[in-house]
Amino acid sequence: GEDVEQSLFLSVREGDSSVINCTYTDSSSTYLYWYKQEPGAGLQLLTYIFSNMDMKQDQRLTVLLNKKDKHLSLRIADTQTGDSAIYFCAERNNQGGKLIFGQGTELSVKP
Amino acid sequence: SAVISQKPSRDICQRGTSLTIQCQVDSQVTMMFWYRQQPGQSLTLIATANQGSEATYESGFVIDKFPISRPNLTFSTLTVSNMSPEDSSIYLCSVVGEQGGHQPQHFGDGTRLSIL
Repeated sequence: GEDVEQSLFLSVREGDSSVINCTYTDSSSTYLYWYKQEPGAGLQLLTYIFSNMDMKQDQRLTVLLNKKDKHLSLRIADTQTGDSAIYFCAERNNQGGKLIFGQGTELSVKP
Repeated sequence: SAVISQKPSRDICQRGTSLTIQCQVDSQVTMMFWYRQQPGQSLTLIATANQGSEATYESGFVIDKFPISRPNLTFSTLTVSNMSPEDSSIYLCSVVGEQGGHQPQHFGDGTRLSIL
């Protein structure tokens, strides 16, 4: 069945780069997404990548996709304390646009 | 992207009661979804809200427990019926826009529900 896996925690120092990793199982995934959830808030779409791309860059964010290994990563350059949040990876399959979410990675940024 | 408003933003309810959550979008959207996020957990899709017809429920969710309405392209409701403490969760509405091409899902701020 469909499954998305993420590590649960990541701690970095302010100014360093953060890399959040995600693996998925559904080879028919069309799009893969990164969402951010701050405490007490809903989900904010950060970025997404189409499955036939291997990289997408958007300001401080870089998404890398290895379709062969079904591995997705989100790199945040120059991480700030405001980046502290839970980051969810999600895949969209071809059946009705349903999203399958990972467990979320809690990013803690220390000054 | 569309602005999504959910009401109420939070509530504390008594066991056995029901609560209806509203999701209002400021523009017409093609698809609307309802998700549940249990404490410390990820998001799970409850159902796809279909305009003018019955919602499409995911495995483990049934209409009697989670009735959903979608009378038009900008509004949907989710009712959590006969609530128990296990229903304490965040309930989130998400939408896909009407424009052509790929449209990602955007989420509302969610409704934080606690059942005593």
